Amino acid sequence: AQKVTQAQTEISVVEKEDVTLDCVYETRDTTYYLFWYKQPPSGELVFLIRRNSFDEQNEISGRYSWNFQKSTSSFNFTITASQVVDSAVYFCALRPSGTYKYIFGTGTRLKVLA
Amino acid sequence: DGGITQSPKYLFRKEGQNVTLSCEQNLNHDAMYWYRQDPGQGLRLIYYSQIVNDFQKGDIAEGYSVSREKKESFPLTVTSAQKNPTAFYLCASSITRTGANYGYTFGSGTRLTVV
Repeated sequence: AQKVTQAQTEISVVEKEDVTLDCVYETRDTTYYLFWYKQPPSGELVFLIRRNSFDEQNEISGRYSWNFQKSTSSFNFTITASQVVDSAVYFCALRPSGTYKYIFGTGTRLKVLA
Repeated sequence: DGGITQSPKYLFRKEGQNVTLSCEQNLNHDAMYWYRQDPGQGLRLIYYSQIVNDFQKGDIAEGYSVSREKKESFPLTVTSAQKNPTAFYLCASSITRTGANYGYTFGSGTRLTVV
């Protein structure tokens, strides 16, 4: 079975706090791709990051960082010093190689309070 | 600027009516997709198209139809056979099907409500 689990339905933090969004995936494929997307209130999903299964390097982009661990099938996303503009729904997605679709998690709604 | 345009942003449908959601892209992408989003659920694939005049059913195609007569356009028709059409519909594209490994570009969505 191929599945993405985002166990945190909603998280509220106060501005400037750090927050980690969890993503656990299941796949039997050895080659696959993982993504994070942000969905602001306007509705469109905005691409944040892509990782392939052979690249376990963590990545940092400004206040955003991602921790990919194949041993635990996790691809967690951390926002450092959160800001109100970070308020959105965040989706984690899996794309097994050779398939035509993404498998999305149910999303985590992040509310950053001023 | 290149992107995907979905229209209308909000759409109301009466019971028994067919409605068509528009999706246009100027990214020169070959592959296009339609996803449905319901509250508290992830996105589910309705249909996808790899090239002009070709499309395949996704996981929840029943009650929907599509066409791909032009590379730029991939309209979705929600038919009266779709029993629960109220949802947020997102159109996406990728350079090619395998190009989706590099991520989708999404439109801003159409919110459909049955009245």
